[in-house]
Amino acid sequence: DGGITQSPKYLFRKEGQNVTLSCEQNLNHDAMYWYRQDPGQGLRLIYYSQIVNDFQKGDIAEGYSVSREKKESFPLTVTSAQKNPTAFYLCASSATDRGNSPLHFGNGTRLTVT
Amino acid sequence: SQQGEEDPQALSIQEGENATMNCSYKTSINNLQWYRQNSGRGLVHLILIRSNEREKHSGRLRVTLDTSKKSSSLLITASRAADTASYFCATYRYNTDKLIFGTGTRLQVFP
Repeated sequence: DGGITQSPKYLFRKEGQNVTLSCEQNLNHDAMYWYRQDPGQGLRLIYYSQIVNDFQKGDIAEGYSVSREKKESFPLTVTSAQKNPTAFYLCASSATDRGNSPLHFGNGTRLTVT
Repeated sequence: SQQGEEDPQALSIQEGENATMNCSYKTSINNLQWYRQNSGRGLVHLILIRSNEREKHSGRLRVTLDTSKKSSSLLITASRAADTASYFCATYRYNTDKLIFGTGTRLQVFP
């Protein structure tokens, strides 16, 4: 089955540690996205990538980093510089047809930093 | 910043009733999309309506788009308890590849 896999489902870290969230897709989509969701809130865009080896900042990129070395993979690193990292993180992908293709989402990683 | 704003923020209805959610946005769009999110899960795409369309149907879903008012509505007819979820509208920020989501409407359908 085609889809997006995010791992792990739950992640716990101590303050000051960097942590990397995994996102893999087998839909052959060019575009991939990372969103952050806080309780009762909408989604805020962290980073997105339209093609391998290229990515752009979203609205809340500070304290996060990404890489896009392979089409299937778009890992997100939450660095110690992110002031409030506890949140639900969602990865998505779409075919590159700007605005005309729906996003397919993974089931998220819930990160708790104490 | 949010491109879309849904209202109401929360909606509670009985099974069999219709549910209507509204979305307002700020800039010109190519299309508007609606998504559903069950608690603790990822979002699922429901329907996409293009800027030159005024109404679109998919099963029990009916979406309207009024570009002059920069607004859209999602109607779920004959709701079921399984429709309980949060519903989000999303649009691309003008001339960018950034898909921006609204704040969502939490729908509760009681059996």
